Amino acid sequence: NAGVIQTPRHKVTGKGQEATLWCEPISGHSAVFWYRQTIVQGLEFLTYFRNQAPIDDSGMPKERFSAQMPNQSHSTLKIQSTQPQDSAVYLCASSFGTINERLFFGHGTKLSVL
Amino acid sequence: GEKVEQHESTLSVREGDSAVINCTYTDTASSYFPWYKQEAGKGLHFVIDIRSNVDRKQSQRLIVLLDKKAKRFSLHITATQPEDSAIYFCAASKNNNNRIFFGDGTQLVVKP
Repeated sequence: NAGVIQTPRHKVTGKGQEATLWCEPISGHSAVFWYRQTIVQGLEFLTYFRNQAPIDDSGMPKERFSAQMPNQSHSTLKIQSTQPQDSAVYLCASSFGTINERLFFGHGTKLSVL
Repeated sequence: GEKVEQHESTLSVREGDSAVINCTYTDTASSYFPWYKQEAGKGLHFVIDIRSNVDRKQSQRLIVLLDKKAKRFSLHITATQPEDSAIYFCAASKNNNNRIFFGDGTQLVVKP
């Protein structure tokens, strides 16, 4: 079991460019979560899916951010027109999907917007 | 929504001593309290959790205490080792969904 796989590990974009982050959850896990981590804001919840359906996206910035889960083996987080304040480590996690259980996190994608 | 606060941003202890990290939460409906550990350059790794139906849980050198009246919970690491050095996050969630609210993290340094 390779754990939650996030690609790329590092991404550098210029201001105004688009960034797509990928997450492959652990096989058999039905819930996928996205978090953003910065020194200033700490760990911020963005969104989560269960059985590929979006359940709670209340943490997603309303503009420029979108997340999809087209199949059970991967999820993407897309940021359009990236801004320097989007620079952060984006963490993906998965779980079996039952309430109140441990999450398995990937190593994260460090996004740097120049 | 829920707000989880960690009281110590950094904590330094000597190897072999105990370390205690304290957290508080605001939502009385929270019922699940996990702890995660993050080492440099890595994602979070689950260490232990406690549910609201108990007030104490132990797993080897880790003890979690929960005081529902005070809305406070804590992680005790006994006989600390240098490899315990990491950032520890407390968290809370309710029974009705999977969303977990995290504290800001405590950097634990165990000095040899």
